[in-house]
Amino acid sequence: DGGITQSPKYLFRKEGQNVTLSCEQNLNHDAMYWYRQDPGQGLRLIYYSQIVNDFQKGDIAEGYSVSREKKESFPLTVTSAQKNPTAFYLCASSIEPASTDTQYFGPGTRLTVL
Amino acid sequence: GQQLNQSPQSMFIQEGEDVSMNCTSSSIFNTWLWYKQDPGEGPVLLIALYKAGELTSNGRLTAQFGITRKDSFLNISASIPSDVGIYFCASRPSYNTDKLIFGTGTRLQVFP
Repeated sequence: DGGITQSPKYLFRKEGQNVTLSCEQNLNHDAMYWYRQDPGQGLRLIYYSQIVNDFQKGDIAEGYSVSREKKESFPLTVTSAQKNPTAFYLCASSIEPASTDTQYFGPGTRLTVL
Repeated sequence: GQQLNQSPQSMFIQEGEDVSMNCTSSSIFNTWLWYKQDPGEGPVLLIALYKAGELTSNGRLTAQFGITRKDSFLNISASIPSDVGIYFCASRPSYNTDKLIFGTGTRLQVFP
C-alpha cells in the first residue's frame, strides 16, 4: 500500500539533545513538508522540499534542520536551539508543489522533551 | 500575511444533528481544502474545492467555495460518533502557492 510513514509514534528526549524524526513516502511524490501542531492550534509549516537536494524554510524554521537526499525520505532534526520542542510533528507530501493536488499526511510523531 | 479564520472553535452536538462550520479570510484564495484530524493522527483530506461557487459532496459532507473566493463552509448532516475530531480548512496563499496555510480548526464532539 502507498502512503506516508512516520516513526516513532512517540519520542522522549532530554532537554539539550538533538533528535531526528523520520518521514518516508512511497507515493513517488516530489514535494514533502514538515508541520508542527500545538494544542488548540492549526498546523504551522517548518520546512518543505520541492525536489531532491533542495528545501526551503517555512514559517517557523528556527531550531530545526532537514535534508532531502532521497525522493522518498525527508527527515527533520529538532535541535537544542529550538526553545519549545514539545509538540506533535506531522509530515506530508504532494505530487508536486504548486499543483492543485493536495497534501497527504503521515500519522505524526509526538515529541516530548523532558 | 494571509490568514484563515475558522469558526466555531468547538462544537458539542448530539448524534443525528447537522453541523456547519466555516472559514473566512480577508484575502482571495483559489483553492479551499477541508481536512479532518482524528485524535493522535494526521489530517485526512475530506473535500477539495477549486472554483468559486463550487459545491461538492462526499457522503454526508458538503462543502462550498464562496462566490467572493474569501470563504468556504463545510456541512455535516446526520452526525454520528465517528465524526468526532478536528476539522481544518486550508488554502494556498497567493504569495507562495508552493505551500498550504491552515485554519485553527473546529473541534467537534458528538454525544450519543
